[in-house]
Amino acid sequence: ELKVEQNPLFLSMQEGKNYTIYCNYSTTSDRLYWYRQDPGKSLESLFVLLSNGAVKQEGRLMASLDTKARLSTLHITAAVHDLSATYFCAVVNNAGNMLTFGGGTRLMVKP
Amino acid sequence: GAGVSQSPSNKVTEKGKDVELRCDPISGHTALYWYRQSLGQGLEFLIYFQGNSAPDKSGLPSDRFSAERTGGSVSTLTIQRTQQEDSAVYLCASSLRLDRVKGTGEAFFGQGTRLTVV
Repeated sequence: ELKVEQNPLFLSMQEGKNYTIYCNYSTTSDRLYWYRQDPGKSLESLFVLLSNGAVKQEGRLMASLDTKARLSTLHITAAVHDLSATYFCAVVNNAGNMLTFGGGTRLMVKP
Repeated sequence: GAGVSQSPSNKVTEKGKDVELRCDPISGHTALYWYRQSLGQGLEFLIYFQGNSAPDKSGLPSDRFSAERTGGSVSTLTIQRTQQEDSAVYLCASSLRLDRVKGTGEAFFGQGTRLTVV
């Protein structure tokens, strides 16, 4: 059974600082997704990572995938308040037919 | 429509009543997921449909929960004899088939149905 773990679960940081959110998964997969959820809203797709070594960047967020380590990172550069949200990673299972989500990382960026 | 549509957006029901939640996926998406999210919590997988294959029901929390997908499109999640612990936001997502050739398999979410059992 595929398990997906994120850490930290909660992150409070100051504006302007850098930080990394980690997503570990338990079985082989070469396909991983990052989503953002604002309070009271649904999930919005951020990044799609489809191969080992894939790196995607959008503004102050950069996501990468290391399939050998079964690890994805979401790096935040010079955080701003607008990035405050909950971030979820999701991994495709071995059979390639289903998504499993991590528990989410609630990010709070303070002025 | 352009996105995943869920209805109703809010539902308040009395304990013991049955409820039906509807999900209209993006046209052409063969995969459909139902998740449940309690306040401030992560996503709890409920059920997964892929084309004409038998659904994966492994996440349904009890036999009071059931779901169907008619004609490979619209899905209905039914909760019988609702209990207060069923109160949550129910999210539906759809995607193209998770296939290396045909697409990224990115799942798109609806806005959810907020269910409150009183």
